[in-house]
Amino acid sequence: ETGVTQSPTHLIKTRGQQVTLRCSSQSGHNTVSWYQQALGQGPQFIFQYYREEENGRGNFPPRFSGLQFPNYSSELNVNALELDDSALYLCASSPMAGMNTEAFFGQGTRLTVV
Amino acid sequence: QKEVEQNSGPLSVPEGAIASLNCTYSDRGSQSFFWYRQYSGKSPELIMFIYSNGDKEDGRFTAQLNKASQYVSLLIRDSQPSDSATYLCAVIGGSNYKLTFGKGTLLTVNP
Repeated sequence: ETGVTQSPTHLIKTRGQQVTLRCSSQSGHNTVSWYQQALGQGPQFIFQYYREEENGRGNFPPRFSGLQFPNYSSELNVNALELDDSALYLCASSPMAGMNTEAFFGQGTRLTVV
Repeated sequence: QKEVEQNSGPLSVPEGAIASLNCTYSDRGSQSFFWYRQYSGKSPELIMFIYSNGDKEDGRFTAQLNKASQYVSLLIRDSQPSDSATYLCAVIGGSNYKLTFGKGTLLTVNP
């Protein structure tokens, strides 16, 4: 158990819809990163939040957006869902944003877009 | 050139053997290196991290880092069937401290 919790665990949405995924970071961690993992691939970085500010973004379109709250929990929002958005979405929390910092993953949200 | 590359699998070893997993990275400025284990249908679990050149041992696991060769490896001694999983190599480099992952190597330990 990492202390990082994600909800929901599974979700089925229709193409064009919007979805919100949630993450509670481990106690004492102020940095949350989101990753997308397609089947058979390694996780791909979406963005990172540090103390409620976006601290870097990967190669994902603007319809992927996020928030971090004062308690350091976070949301990932995806608008205008496409079939290719079907993946495992992973949230990782870290005690700080830095080089030598370990990141711990939640159990993930499996999103299926039909 | 892919940023993080792992040896193509799947890798199959008998129980009790040493499993060797390899990873190369392209960003010479990378500072931190991680190995995650991922069971099928589950999320990645951090098993080792290494920041300095050389070896780092933790139980049956040894991580090896050679920054000059841009190479990091994971050795699993006395492999057990419960070690059967996909092993992901990840690297941190750059200003936003993102993890860049390889595609993973599937390891199967046969009883």
